[in-house]
Amino acid sequence: GENVEQHPSTLSVQEGDSAVIKCTYSDSASNYFPWYKQELGKRPQLIIDIRSNVGEKKDQRIAVTLNKTAKHFSLHITETQPEDSAVYFCAARNTGTASKLTFGTGTRLQVML
Amino acid sequence: GAVVSQHPSRVICKSGTSVKIECRSLDFQATTMFWYRQFPKQSLMLMATSNEGSKATYEQGVEKDKFLINHASLTLSTLTVTSAHPEDSSFYICSAGTRLETQYFGPGTRLLVL
Repeated sequence: GENVEQHPSTLSVQEGDSAVIKCTYSDSASNYFPWYKQELGKRPQLIIDIRSNVGEKKDQRIAVTLNKTAKHFSLHITETQPEDSAVYFCAARNTGTASKLTFGTGTRLQVML
Repeated sequence: GAVVSQHPSRVICKSGTSVKIECRSLDFQATTMFWYRQFPKQSLMLMATSNEGSKATYEQGVEKDKFLINHASLTLSTLTVTSAHPEDSSFYICSAGTRLETQYFGPGTRLLVL
């Protein structure tokens, strides 16, 4: 089955700096890669996703890049703000597995003032 | 759009009792619903995949007789934790998916078994 690794587990940045979170996946058939943000005690919320036919996607301060050959994808947050502080999860999905997502272990991002 | 509700948000029960958690997609029909378990500071662990009108598919290590899943309609799935014990205490989250792949999560249910 799919295995997703995520790094780093914790990340502290100064407000205004950029943050990068990286994930690797094992199943070359995976073709959908969402990123979720989870605040303490809350539900995970989809912030951006990318499909395997695209190498990069951007939405305001958030961008995701995908390298299919290397089987890794990354989340980039620019001009970080305190409200970006949360746990971020990457995930991977193979359309042949009934939409089942395999999640990474999470990255706790802290944006310091 | 794409709102998923979950009820109850929090439940405390005695050891040995059963607890039912409901997951509803409010503004779309969910062909598939998923049940996850999350321990503090850990990732989401998929327990089972629920398809409307058919039996749920359980992940390895998840006891189907312990965690009963029913998906009676395209908008409702239920998870029943039977004969709950303190080790079942956790944050249970459902998600609902569409044919377009995106999964939307419910707000979660925090279960505490005394």
